Amino acid sequence: RKEVEQDPGPFNVPEGATVAFNCTYSNSASQSFFWYRQDCRKEPKLLMSVYSSGNEDGRFTAQLNRASQYISLLIRDSKLSDSATYLCVGRDNYGQNFVFGPGTRLSVLP
Amino acid sequence: NAGVTQTPKFQVLKTGQSMTLQCAQDMNHEYMSWYRQDPGMGLRLIHYSVGAGITDQGEVPNGYNVSRSTTEDFPLRLLSAAPSQTSVYFCASSGTGGYGYTFGSGTRLTVV
Repeated sequence: RKEVEQDPGPFNVPEGATVAFNCTYSNSASQSFFWYRQDCRKEPKLLMSVYSSGNEDGRFTAQLNRASQYISLLIRDSKLSDSATYLCVGRDNYGQNFVFGPGTRLSVLP
Repeated sequence: NAGVTQTPKFQVLKTGQSMTLQCAQDMNHEYMSWYRQDPGMGLRLIHYSVGAGITDQGEVPNGYNVSRSTTEDFPLRLLSAAPSQTSVYFCASSGTGGYGYTFGSGTRLTVV
């Protein structure tokens, strides 16, 4: 079993839609979590960190449930520019090991 | 503040040639890594370093060497290039603790 698993997608949604991505992790040593976005043929870029209390950044909301080892990302009012692959990432307690999920591809359609 | 700088951006090699991909960061990050990403695939960890003088293998280390003589630089050396090493290579760095990675813009390598 992979340490970080994500919905494979692709998710094809119309502009303005709300879309949710799910991620599960199997390594309980993972302590820090992040969502990255990766545009085609570009490097991954940090979208947001994920905190236990949940956090929001504009149209983006991230949630972490440590008991269920589950992370989510909610995008409201989708824009065409949100089209990308979204990567779920965990980092262990010692800060020495990042584990990337395989990514979920999102296409926002006009 | 340049962040993570990778050179070259593009490279074509012949089978059997060797070369070094350069990676430098100016954020005084302790943790640096090299990943490869094949078309339509996820990131795979090649080697990583938790500080100057310390390196370790990742998921796919065969055919690659690294060194970390300074905090800033983490070069990746291809010993004898093979077509299977055709990929996009990303270098990334992070501070210790709960920080995320900063990635370089990548090196697109083709081995013919």
